[in-house]
Amino acid sequence: QVQLVQSGTEVKKPGASVKVSCKASGYFFTTYYMHWVRQAPGQGLEWMGIVNPSGGGTSYAQKFQGRITMTRDTSTSTVHMELSSLGSEDTAVYYCARDHCSGADCFSYYFDYWGQGTLVTVSS
Amino acid sequence: DIVVTQSPGSLAVSLGERATINCRSSQSILYSSSNKNYLAWYQQKPGQPPKLLIYWSSTRESGVPDRFSGSGSGTDFTLTISSLQAEDVAVYYCQQFYSTPPTFGQGTKVEIK
Repeated sequence: QVQLVQSGTEVKKPGASVKVSCKASGYFFTTYYMHWVRQAPGQGLEWMGIVNPSGGGTSYAQKFQGRITMTRDTSTSTVHMELSSLGSEDTAVYYCARDHCSGADCFSYYFDYWGQGTLVTVSS
Repeated sequence: DIVVTQSPGSLAVSLGERATINCRSSQSILYSSSNKNYLAWYQQKPGQPPKLLIYWSSTRESGVPDRFSGSGSGTDFTLTISSLQAEDVAVYYCQQFYSTPPTFGQGTKVEIK
């Protein structure tokens, strides 16, 4: 069965960086694009960006341009999301979410499987 | 960015009764060449990630009970739970995927009356 297992809770100081990982299993890793979505406490959902697990290409929400990096490691079927220059407004649960569409260069921008979430707290 | 607005913010429905959630997009999300509306619905229970219920505004994801249905076109959409069950207590989100960035509504909390 499809599983996305994320790394554990992080506590960071303002100005620091955080790297969250998401290990995929139960399907062919390179045939589904992966997204990152975050949710601030008690708030709604915010899309951050997309990574192609096959070629490594990325596209980020303009809001995060310049301080976000998404990468993938095909040897471990893992995607990573690194966010730098953290502020208190970055305190949130971060989710990886698989695109519903499968196949080369197929992406739909809606999400059929989600990781369990990683809480990132930014506090001095 | 396309703004997605849900209403109401919360609702309380008796067990077995119908629950209706509305979603409006700031521009049409109907792609004319395919005649598909680029809208999805998710259910999120406390402490859990969202779960995909419906895509293309009315196509149920595999395994989703048929009491959940989606309708609408253009800018106005509805998620209906035909007979509310206790396990349906959750926050429901709509999401447009017509253009990037994909955007979500603010959520509708469904409770038991």
